Amino acid sequence: AQSVTQLDSQVPVFEEAPVELRCNYSSSVSVYLFWYVQYPNQGLQLLLKYLSGSTLVKGINGFEAEFNKSQTSFHLRKPSVHISDTAEYFCAVRRAANAGKSTFGDGTTLTVKP
Amino acid sequence: DGGITQSPKYLFRKEGQNVTLSCEQNLNHDAMYWYRQDPGQGLRLIYYSHIVNDFQKGDIAEGYSVSREKKESFPLTVTSAQKNPTAFYLCASSIRTGEDYGYTFGSGTRLTVV
Repeated sequence: AQSVTQLDSQVPVFEEAPVELRCNYSSSVSVYLFWYVQYPNQGLQLLLKYLSGSTLVKGINGFEAEFNKSQTSFHLRKPSVHISDTAEYFCAVRRAANAGKSTFGDGTTLTVKP
Repeated sequence: DGGITQSPKYLFRKEGQNVTLSCEQNLNHDAMYWYRQDPGQGLRLIYYSHIVNDFQKGDIAEGYSVSREKKESFPLTVTSAQKNPTAFYLCASSIRTGEDYGYTFGSGTRLTVV
């Protein structure tokens, strides 16, 4: 079984400030890790993914995330946010072998204020 | 452009009525998934299918049914047995082998009981 915990349900931040959205996971097997973004009344869009290799992965819209196996974390970061980054962000984990279904966290609402 | 199409975007259901949500993809993905999204609860898996003519229950399958007669299509029926169907429903698809294991999501169907 696998599980995902997003440690913050809401993160308010001012425009041009840095932001970190925290994600911890639990799994007894090797997993792939993902971050998705959802704008109001829309589906989710893949931001970035960790499959293997370098633990620092870069995604769209200037976001990056770091995989930390010892701490079972996959935190999402952006050095300078824009108003347009206001959205809900979901961390997800998927079993690596014979890739099965993904498990999602409860989401973090990022609100960027002017 | 390839993608996933969900229809309708908005759906209203009367008490005791069955309704069917459509999900079609032209990405040639093997796997398809249905998730339910309620405020503050993230995404919960209803049903999934990894191959045509086969599907599995997710975490909250009671009151729902699916079929997978074609690779491109994975319709979800919300039956009268589902006592609280008002929610945002998301369909997703993915490959199961290769280099990209992220989900592609549709734009969702918002179901309301009237």
